[in-house]
Amino acid sequence: SQTIHQWPATLVQPVGSPLSLECTVEGTSNPNLYWYRQAAGRGLQLLFYSVGIGQISSEVPQNLSASRPQDRQFILSSKKLLLSDSGFYLCACTGQGNTGELFFGEGSRLTVL
Amino acid sequence: AQSVAQPEDQVNVAEGNPLTVKCTYSVSGNPYLFWYVQYPNRGLQFLLKYITGDNLVKGSYGFEAEFNKSQTSFHLKKPSALVSDSALYFCAVRENPNAGNNRKLIWGLGTSLAVNP
Repeated sequence: SQTIHQWPATLVQPVGSPLSLECTVEGTSNPNLYWYRQAAGRGLQLLFYSVGIGQISSEVPQNLSASRPQDRQFILSSKKLLLSDSGFYLCACTGQGNTGELFFGEGSRLTVL
Repeated sequence: AQSVAQPEDQVNVAEGNPLTVKCTYSVSGNPYLFWYVQYPNRGLQFLLKYITGDNLVKGSYGFEAEFNKSQTSFHLKKPSALVSDSALYFCAVRENPNAGNNRKLIWGLGTSLAVNP
């Protein structure tokens, strides 16, 4: 079964600093990959998804970008963080088959000060 | 438009009592339906799914859910709640893959379940 690794788990960054959150997947090949943000411990907002290497779809205009340099690696970045970028970031992937359930990493909590 | 509604922000239940967390959906075609649980500061864990077949689906940790097509609902249930079931629960729906763009799930806003000892 698939395992999703996210790091760092916790990050405190000043406004205007860069960001890089990394996600790697084990136990599956050619997954769809997703970055979600969860604000205030509630609803999930889809930020980016990828169906293959170098293929990124952005769901909402924002201060963030994503890249997929390898099949099982997904990176979330920013050149200059804003206060509003604070939140809990979750990486997810599809499993084997085409039934659509997602499997999530343990999340990265970002606080921008 | 596709949507998922979880009408209750919070559900409180006494330990040992049955629990229900409600979910209704609006999608075209035959939906794929999912329930997830999230413990504090953790990622989401997949609980169960309905794709086709028996309307009553059994999942992890003793949870089950009933698909009701006429009421467009997929309520999560457990016969006897545990304090350790206290968490945030999310319902999600995916449009049938044969219907077109199928790479994304539509999520409810979550229901916070509190099981009191």
